[in-house]
Amino acid sequence: QKEVEQDPGPLSVPEGAIVSLNCTYSNSAFQYFMWYRQYSRKGPELLMYTYSSGNKEDGRFTAQVDKSSKYISLFIRDSQPSDSATYLCAMSEEYSSASKIIFGSGTRLSIRP
Amino acid sequence: KAGVTQTPRYLIKTRGQQVTLSCSPISGHRSVSWYQQTPGQGLQFLFEYFSETQRNKGNFPGRFSGRQFSNSRSEMNVSTLELGDSALYLCASSSTAGGHLQYFGPGTRLLVL
Repeated sequence: QKEVEQDPGPLSVPEGAIVSLNCTYSNSAFQYFMWYRQYSRKGPELLMYTYSSGNKEDGRFTAQVDKSSKYISLFIRDSQPSDSATYLCAMSEEYSSASKIIFGSGTRLSIRP
Repeated sequence: KAGVTQTPRYLIKTRGQQVTLSCSPISGHRSVSWYQQTPGQGLQFLFEYFSETQRNKGNFPGRFSGRQFSNSRSEMNVSTLELGDSALYLCASSSTAGGHLQYFGPGTRLLVL
């Protein structure tokens, strides 16, 4: 079993829909949770990050962490065709080292106009 | 503030050759990490440098090496290329206090024939 599981998709939704992207994990020591967006042939772009449990909102994006269920989510409201990309979750026990970050395999999202 | 830059963006090499990739981090970031991204394996950590010192190394053969210069710029080298080394090589930088927040460059796409 992988430490971080992410449905690869593809996920196709109509423009304007609410999108829910999810990751589950097995390591209860994870405290830092990140979401990256990666457009085709580009590097991942840090979208949102949260520490420990709770919600964080940034414009149309909301990141949610449920540590009791070992489950994190990224919600996209009023989805746009420009949101079509691969979304990777990432998590880490500590803040200081890149070697401790575990990335999900990514969910490919397509927003239909 | 300028983002992470990587050169070259595309490379085609043949088996047995060697390659050097270059990365310039975000101004003020002293930590640079390298990743290999493939469709099958996802994002895999190669190594991490801080103040010209390699802090961590991923599970890759010794053919993969890197270094960091005093201006925080970094290079990675792959010797004796194999077909399986074809991938997107990503460089990321982070600030001293936030190693879990990786800011990625656009990547170098390497094709080994």
